[in-house]
Amino acid sequence: QSALTQPASVSGSPGQSITISCTGTSSDIGGYNYVSWYQQHPGKAPKLMIYDVSNRPSGVSNRFSGSKSDNTASLTISGLQAEDEADYYCCSYTSSTTPVFGTGTEVTVL
Amino acid sequence: QVQLVESGGGLVKPGGSLRLSCAASGFTFSDYYMNWIRQAPGKGLEWISYISKRGDLIYYADSVKGRSTISRDNTKNSLYLHMDSLRGEDTAVYYCARDGASWYFDLWGRGTLVTVSS
Repeated sequence: QSALTQPASVSGSPGQSITISCTGTSSDIGGYNYVSWYQQHPGKAPKLMIYDVSNRPSGVSNRFSGSKSDNTASLTISGLQAEDEADYYCCSYTSSTTPVFGTGTEVTVL
Repeated sequence: QVQLVESGGGLVKPGGSLRLSCAASGFTFSDYYMNWIRQAPGKGLEWISYISKRGDLIYYADSVKGRSTISRDNTKNSLYLHMDSLRGEDTAVYYCARDGASWYFDLWGRGTLVTVSS
């Protein structure tokens, strides 16, 4: 199972909105509503930000939102803040009954 | 508090073996599916193994299949990963992660570093 495709980097100014894409196939993103997103700061463990495409766990800011269209999932961060600077990974369940992660996106707050 | 703590990492020679452990606390361990996920230095996340609540359903990534064994002991609130025939490409931080029931990972440990080198 090949990794899902994410842009290597995305940047934005404080207060702006940015969107990170995650492209797969009909065998993963397109076939299931089991897409999740993770935030990882340097040297830290990943943190769940979105699950089941668009659900936010308790405690995660409502500035983070998720969506999906066909074989592409997206994570939008609105009102960008300095603390949002981190790596972000998408993940999807696949037809192989195993999950696959995305290639990862480095978010920079200008 | 609710947490996962991995242990057992270290320096291993190519071809060697290692057993990683993950101690769970603060929640009912037996109620959750569990996973191992790894991250090579400077690289992305790679899911490597899953085990069901009772240990009767197990999955592996192709990269570790045949060389790894995941197991759990619900009486000890612990998850394990035994890895054989280790290679340089197995060098990574290994995380245990709790499964939120639809293939998302809602609780992660801090990870344990495995370095495979002669």
